[in-house]
Amino acid sequence: SQQGEEDPQALSIQEGENATMNCSYKTSINNLQWYRQNSGRGLVHLILIRSNEREKHSGRLRVTLDTSKKSSSLLITASRAADTASYFCATDSNSGYSTLTFGKGTMLLVSP
Amino acid sequence: NAGVMQNPRHLVRRRGQEARLRCSPMKGHSHVYWYRQLPEEGLKFMVYLQKENIIDESGMPKERFSAEFPKEGPSILRIQQVVRGDSAAYFCASSRDPISRSYEQYFGPGTRLTVT
Repeated sequence: SQQGEEDPQALSIQEGENATMNCSYKTSINNLQWYRQNSGRGLVHLILIRSNEREKHSGRLRVTLDTSKKSSSLLITASRAADTASYFCATDSNSGYSTLTFGKGTMLLVSP
Repeated sequence: NAGVMQNPRHLVRRRGQEARLRCSPMKGHSHVYWYRQLPEEGLKFMVYLQKENIIDESGMPKERFSAEFPKEGPSILRIQQVVRGDSAAYFCASSRDPISRSYEQYFGPGTRLTVT
């Protein structure tokens, strides 16, 4: 699998349900970030979790990071139709440069 | 506090023409990154620049593509002699000094390039 690969590729839920997306990566990282992209739009930064952190919250978002398994999850609680978007995780390597490697994303559809 | 600005938002070029994409980073940010997104794909890193310096261009095609970030003015991604395969969304992001290792990249709305 490629660096920063999300799972599932697509997820369809009802409003009010929780949505969980996973991300796996290969190399050691400094940080992992989650972004949202609405169709045809730019990326919106959601949350950054450092490699020495295990869990982080921001509003209805909860991100976990397991560096031993090289994986992260993004949980959106009490989803809304407005959460419909593609979600990407992005990792930066600890090689010294700060460029991000993105996965192909999870497309989330929240139906009213 | 304006975010990252990119223009144009949409650009149509015929094969063989040149495309120039511009990016103005957020205020206070001196680091710029360019990414390309093909349909149904995630973003792929192209080039990372500081003012007047290219730091990492490992993701940029060796031919026809160039980038600059002058002391004054926006960063420019230039594609010469465009081909249909260059059709994509090109996103610019900016950040503060990433040396602190606790930075976030903020993305612009993108430029959608269509080569006909």
